[in-house]
Amino acid sequence: EVVMTQSPGTLSVSPGERATLSCRASQSISDNLAWYQQKPGQAPRLLIYGASTRATGIPARFSGSGSGTEFTLTISSLQSADFAVYYCQQYDDWVTFGGGTKVEIK
Amino acid sequence: QVQLQESGPGLVKPSQTLSLTCTVSGGSISGYYWSWIRQHPGKGLEWIGHIYYSGITYYNPSLKSRLTMSVDTSKNHFSLNLSSVTAADTAVYFCARAQLSVWDYWGQGTPVTVSS
Repeated sequence: EVVMTQSPGTLSVSPGERATLSCRASQSISDNLAWYQQKPGQAPRLLIYGASTRATGIPARFSGSGSGTEFTLTISSLQSADFAVYYCQQYDDWVTFGGGTKVEIK
Repeated sequence: QVQLQESGPGLVKPSQTLSLTCTVSGGSISGYYWSWIRQHPGKGLEWIGHIYYSGITYYNPSLKSRLTMSVDTSKNHFSLNLSSVTAADTAVYFCARAQLSVWDYWGQGTPVTVSS
């Protein structure tokens, strides 16, 4: 099983600042990685797939990068709507998720 | 706009079978993979399985022995049966549309508790 490790567990950021979230795979997954945002009581929302392609309707302040085992989700200039939990997901070898990073207001 | 809605009992007794249905509206079930994903209380996400509209299935190996998924294209819905449930199966269950194993449309989720 491909183990996905996200860091940090919690990220405290002020509105308008930049947030950088990390995701590491236990083995190479090429660029078969997606990022989701989840708010309390809601289903996850697809942000990024293919490591760096924004899903339909996702603002340009969300960007993804990386390949192989190291990936990053960057949110430039955080908006109030962006405070949520973010999950990475690999789909190279079956499907597994990371444990999530909570982005909270500093 | 594609919409998904889960339905099924919110309480299941241990050792029994958990059965859920996901009804798709605003689009056809044909041509896509459809999935179940669950989230244990306060925890992360776990992929349960995919089913193609033709009936081909892909199951999480850790659940495969207890899992059956089916699809009914005439009713535009697909279903999940998870047998021999325990408290560890207590979770919010989501259905979702899969494209290349990423999910672009999700149901709102339905909580299921396993308890006597």
